[in-house]
Amino acid sequence: AQTVTQSQPEMSVQEAETVTLSCTYDTSESDYYLFWYKQPPSRQMILVIRQEAYKQQNATENRFSVNFQKAAKSFSLKISDSQLGDAAMYFCALNSGYALNFGKGTSLLVTP
Amino acid sequence: DAGVIQSPRHEVTEMGQEVTLRCKPISGHNSLFWYRQTMMRGLELLIYFNNNVPIDDSGMPEDRFSAKMPNASFSTLKIQPSEPRDSAVYFCASMYLPDPLLALNYGYTFGSGTRLTVV
Repeated sequence: AQTVTQSQPEMSVQEAETVTLSCTYDTSESDYYLFWYKQPPSRQMILVIRQEAYKQQNATENRFSVNFQKAAKSFSLKISDSQLGDAAMYFCALNSGYALNFGKGTSLLVTP
Repeated sequence: DAGVIQSPRHEVTEMGQEVTLRCKPISGHNSLFWYRQTMMRGLELLIYFNNNVPIDDSGMPEDRFSAKMPNASFSTLKIQPSEPRDSAVYFCASMYLPDPLLALNYGYTFGSGTRLTVV
């Protein structure tokens, strides 16, 4: 069985600051991918970043980067220079087959 | 491309009524997924179609739920009879998968979801 755990139900960050959202996972598969999705109030699920398990280099997409610790089964998302538009629910997800397994999400509040 | 299109965006119905949710995947995508999102359980996979054939329906909660994909451009999720505990946001997602059992690095494209309220 695969599990994805997000231990921070809510996080807050000031505009222009940096915030890190935590995610841990468990899988017995050796080949898998990890994702972060953003869900703003519009409900749309937006793919933010993805990481291949066999790549040691951490993925980066503009202001978004991950810290992937394979041995610890940890996959955190760092948002730099936070903007008001970053306010949303963020979901960590694991895929080792065809189905995405999601964490329960972290609600990110961005304050001016 | 208009993306994955779901309708209706909101649905309010009375307990016991039949509800049909609709999804139009992205043209060219051969795989379609229905997910349900609730506060308690988060996002759960209900059913997965590949080339219009159900591959995994183990997430369908009970016989009241049924899903069809009559062609590559349309899918429905039906609840009959509906119950208050079915209240949730239902998402449809699609992607192109050359191997039906291996998505790995492919991120889904989600629709905007249908918020269902059963009173």
